[in-house]
Amino acid sequence: DQQVKQNSPSLSVQEGRISILNCDYTNSMFDYFLWYKKYPAEGPTFLISISSIKDKNEDGRFTVFLNKSAKHLSLHIVPSQPGDSAVYFCAASDQTGANNLFFGTGTRLTVIP
Amino acid sequence: EAGVVQSPRYKIIEKKQPVAFWCNPISGHNTLYWYLQNLGQGPELLIRYENEEAVDDSQLPKDRFSAERLKGVDSTLKIQPAELGDSAVYLCASSYGNTGELFFGEGSRLTVL
Repeated sequence: DQQVKQNSPSLSVQEGRISILNCDYTNSMFDYFLWYKKYPAEGPTFLISISSIKDKNEDGRFTVFLNKSAKHLSLHIVPSQPGDSAVYFCAASDQTGANNLFFGTGTRLTVIP
Repeated sequence: EAGVVQSPRYKIIEKKQPVAFWCNPISGHNTLYWYLQNLGQGPELLIRYENEEAVDDSQLPKDRFSAERLKGVDSTLKIQPAELGDSAVYLCASSYGNTGELFFGEGSRLTVL
């Protein structure tokens, strides 16, 4: 049973516009959430995270929003750049430890120049 | 600083043959992970080590998969015998502390014919 879901397998956005990637989770014990970015033939790299005590975390062009009541989080990229084209994985961890990660299936973002 | 190193990058074998993957984590990282990533899916944890100890191997198919982390540094993941369904990318990651930020290697892509 997939506990972290990314229902959009792909997303295309014009350069300079906002990219919004969504993620839903089912386990109410999850309390720490992360986004990883993956280029082809490379391993995933950490992008940004958020603790369940917050509803927003911002790092440059990247902002993650958490809605605990809806069990939903989203990643906003503004402005989007062609170099942002990659697969984005949402991940969550439960209270057994922040390193016990459950990953979603990923969303492939394409930023069109 | 060198990242997580994995080898081989690619391996093609026939079913029922054995295969082994090697991982060298980032120096000083006490936690090491092996993940399985099937096509179009997110990474799924196979086993997690804290130093030499396997603290979570609940998802490792122990009838054919084995892993070891001698001296708490390098690790080897073995499959014997390989099955067609084992074709996937095997990712190694390491971390220090409990931040949720895992550092992934480039992965070892296995094709079983």
